[in-house]
Amino acid sequence: AQSVTQPDIHITVSEGASLELRCNYSYGATPYLFWYVQSPGQGLQLLLKYFSGDTLVQGIKGFEAEFKRSQSSFNLRKPSVHWSDAAEYFCAVGARSNDYKLSFGAGTTVTVRA
Amino acid sequence: DTGVSQNPRHKITKRGQNVTFRCDPISEHNRLYWYRQTLGQGPEFLTYFQNEAQLEKSRLLSDRFSAERPKGSFSTLEIQRTEQGDSAMYLCAKGAQASGNTIYFGEGSWLTVV
Repeated sequence: AQSVTQPDIHITVSEGASLELRCNYSYGATPYLFWYVQSPGQGLQLLLKYFSGDTLVQGIKGFEAEFKRSQSSFNLRKPSVHWSDAAEYFCAVGARSNDYKLSFGAGTTVTVRA
Repeated sequence: DTGVSQNPRHKITKRGQNVTFRCDPISEHNRLYWYRQTLGQGPEFLTYFQNEAQLEKSRLLSDRFSAERPKGSFSTLEIQRTEQGDSAMYLCAKGAQASGNTIYFGEGSWLTVV
């Protein structure tokens, strides 16, 4: 079975500061990993994905994530946060073997203070 | 725009009534997924289709839930005899090998059962 843990329920960060959101996954085979962002009342927007290859992946809105197999982690980072980055962030894991059905973490809410 | 249209966006219904949500993936994607998201939680997988075939429905929450994808394009999710616990956001997503197996979500359909 696949599962995702996002240890931080809520993070507050100052505008312009760096941000790192943690994600740990559990899956026996090679996982496909995703980060999505959700604004209140909206659907999920894909930030980035990792399928294979370079373990550091770049996404939209200046986000990047690093896949670390040894730590079963896929942490999301942004060097300088903007007020518009305030949202909820979800990490998800899937696999080709199960037709990419995704398992999501519980999410991390990011608050940006001026 | 993720190319997944969901209708209605919001539905308020009385307990015991039936509701139906529709999902239209704008472009052809052979895989279509339904998820449910309750407040403060990540999306939870319900069911999915490969073209018109429903390949997994064991995760549908009860026999009051059913989904169809009659021609392999749009899909509907029906909830019969709604209960207050069905109040949630219902998300549709699409995926296809042609798009790199990335999973794109719609804006979701909010259900409130009163």
